[in-house]
Amino acid sequence: KQEVTQIPAALSVPEGENLVLNCSFTDSAIYNLQWFRQDPGKGLTSLLLIQSSQREQTSGRLNASLDKSSGRSTLYIAASQPGDSATYLCAASGAGSYQLTFGKGTKLSVIP
Amino acid sequence: DTAVSQTPKYLVTQMGNDKSIKCEQNLGHDTMYWYKQDSKKFLKIMFSYNNKELIINETVPNRFSPKSPDKAHLNLHINSLELGDSAVYFCASSQRGAETQYFGPGTRLLVL
Repeated sequence: KQEVTQIPAALSVPEGENLVLNCSFTDSAIYNLQWFRQDPGKGLTSLLLIQSSQREQTSGRLNASLDKSSGRSTLYIAASQPGDSATYLCAASGAGSYQLTFGKGTKLSVIP
Repeated sequence: DTAVSQTPKYLVTQMGNDKSIKCEQNLGHDTMYWYKQDSKKFLKIMFSYNNKELIINETVPNRFSPKSPDKAHLNLHINSLELGDSAVYFCASSQRGAETQYFGPGTRLLVL
């Protein structure tokens, strides 16, 4: 059974800083790993998807990496902005299933 | 041009009632999902469904049942509502199970 852990649970940084969010998963036989953003009272917005055969994906100021052997993924946010403030969720699919298992998220606050 | 829509947005009801939540996607995806986000913001898969296969998370009570009249819709029926069913329910869709999932805005269910 896939389990996903995200550390830290909350993070506060000054505007302009680069930051890294961490995600770990127990079952390395994944199909893919996805990073989402959730704003308060809203649904989830997909940020990046990394297939099991890939090691990283980039979109604008975001870069996500995947290391299946160690069961880890990181989301790197460059030059953070107040608009980046949200909860970031990591989700991994387990062996034999496309269903996603989510971590509990990292709540990011970027201080102007 | 909403991609994944849910109705209603809010649902307040009494214990013991039966209710339905509707979900529609206009992305042409072949796989749809239902997730539950509890009061601690933890998101868990309930069902995934395409025209060939329904996968049910083993922790979901059989009071919950998905109904798909066609490929673009996956409705959630809940019988004999309980206080613990209060949560936000999210619908999502993807093109094949291994691709990026797109989420609806959520339905906030409160059982009194």
